[in-house]
Amino acid sequence: TQLLEQSPQFLSIQEGENLTVYCNSSSVFSSLQWYRQEPGEGPVLLVTVVTGGEVKKLKRLTFQFGDARKDSSLHITAAQPGDTGLYLCADSTDSWGKLQFGAGTQVVVTP
Amino acid sequence: DAGVIQSPRHEVTEMGQEVTLRCKPISGHDYLFWYRQTMMRGLELLIYFNNNVPIDDSGMPEDRFSAKMPNASFSTLKIQPSEPRDSAVYFCASSSRGGGTGSGYTFGSGTRLTVV
Repeated sequence: TQLLEQSPQFLSIQEGENLTVYCNSSSVFSSLQWYRQEPGEGPVLLVTVVTGGEVKKLKRLTFQFGDARKDSSLHITAAQPGDTGLYLCADSTDSWGKLQFGAGTQVVVTP
Repeated sequence: DAGVIQSPRHEVTEMGQEVTLRCKPISGHDYLFWYRQTMMRGLELLIYFNNNVPIDDSGMPEDRFSAKMPNASFSTLKIQPSEPRDSAVYFCASSSRGGGTGSGYTFGSGTRLTVV
């Protein structure tokens, strides 16, 4: 069974600072997805990365996929309070597209 | 599209009572997933459907849980009888072509269930 580990579990920073969260797998990722979940809502898809070494940018968010496709990182530049949320990584675990989620990193950005 | 719609948003019930959670997926999405989220265990997949047919229910905790999808626009998750340990946020999500192909899931806002 694939194990997705996210670190750190919790991160609290001031507005304007940078942060990085990580997702590591015990086996090669099939198709890694990053989601953000705000309080009282369901997770929302941010990005999907598929190719080893891939880098994707979404405004102030930069997603990197390790060359060996067993690790990924999410970097936020100049964090804002609106970036507060639970960041989850997920991987497909079967041919039907069933997703397994990591435990998530709780990010709190204070003004 | 209004997105994935779940009802009710909050449910408080007494132990032993039957609870029914409802979900309307996005039109045209042929995959539907039920997840449960707790602080201790995170997001756990309970069951998922493709074209209204249950594909994998190995995540359903026990016989007290059942799920149905009578048509492409409606699904229910039922707990009978409910127990305090069932307290959690239950999410429904839908997807086209399966979540792992890059299209990802669209989640509803969840139902927060409290069993007292």
